[in-house]
Amino acid sequence: EAQVTQNPRYLITVTGKKLTVTCSQNMNHEYMSWYRQDPGLGLRQIYYSMNVEVTDKGDVPEGYKVSRKEKRNFPLILESPSPNQTSLYFCASSPTRSGPPRTDTQYFGPGTRLTVL
Amino acid sequence: DAKTTQPNSMESNEEEPVHLPCNHSTISGTDYIHWYRQLPSQGPEYVIHGLTSNVNNRMASLAIAEDRKSSTLILHRATLRDAAVYYCIPYYGGSQGNLIFGKGTKLSVKP
Repeated sequence: EAQVTQNPRYLITVTGKKLTVTCSQNMNHEYMSWYRQDPGLGLRQIYYSMNVEVTDKGDVPEGYKVSRKEKRNFPLILESPSPNQTSLYFCASSPTRSGPPRTDTQYFGPGTRLTVL
Repeated sequence: DAKTTQPNSMESNEEEPVHLPCNHSTISGTDYIHWYRQLPSQGPEYVIHGLTSNVNNRMASLAIAEDRKSSTLILHRATLRDAAVYYCIPYYGGSQGNLIFGKGTKLSVKP
């Protein structure tokens, strides 16, 4: 089944304790992205990747890191989590890194609910 | 980015058609109109997209006004599983490829 998977689905941690949220897709997609969803603010993009070893900042990258060593995986790293990073996180992927206009469907993972105490 | 206006919420009865409106008066000539929905406790999922003409797929239909300043997502027979937040997103893509999600319309379906 074509899908985007995220782990863990739920995580409670403390301020400053490094964590990684994994994202994997089995559709051979080139483009991958991370969003966070907060009440009243909607979904906002954190980082994106156009291909292996190519990553770039989205709209809210502060406090996050990513890497893209393999096409299928795009982990989100919080080196020193803070309470303002408590949020619902979604990974997404789409088939092509071609330029606009883009009609590609984006496929989203099930979400990771992170609480930083 | 084009600004969108959608009702905060709508209600429907099961097995009846639902018309979800969206105004996007500042849309550019090259923005496609995408619709995504987010079921409770799930990630957003693609519903449909179009540019100028009306579009149909197995999930829904998309009616686009001739001036492209508004569109309507049509669910032909709402089911309980269609209860979700529906997002209308003008999307050109760009190199960043990020979808701009507004507040969307929360659709409730009554049995």
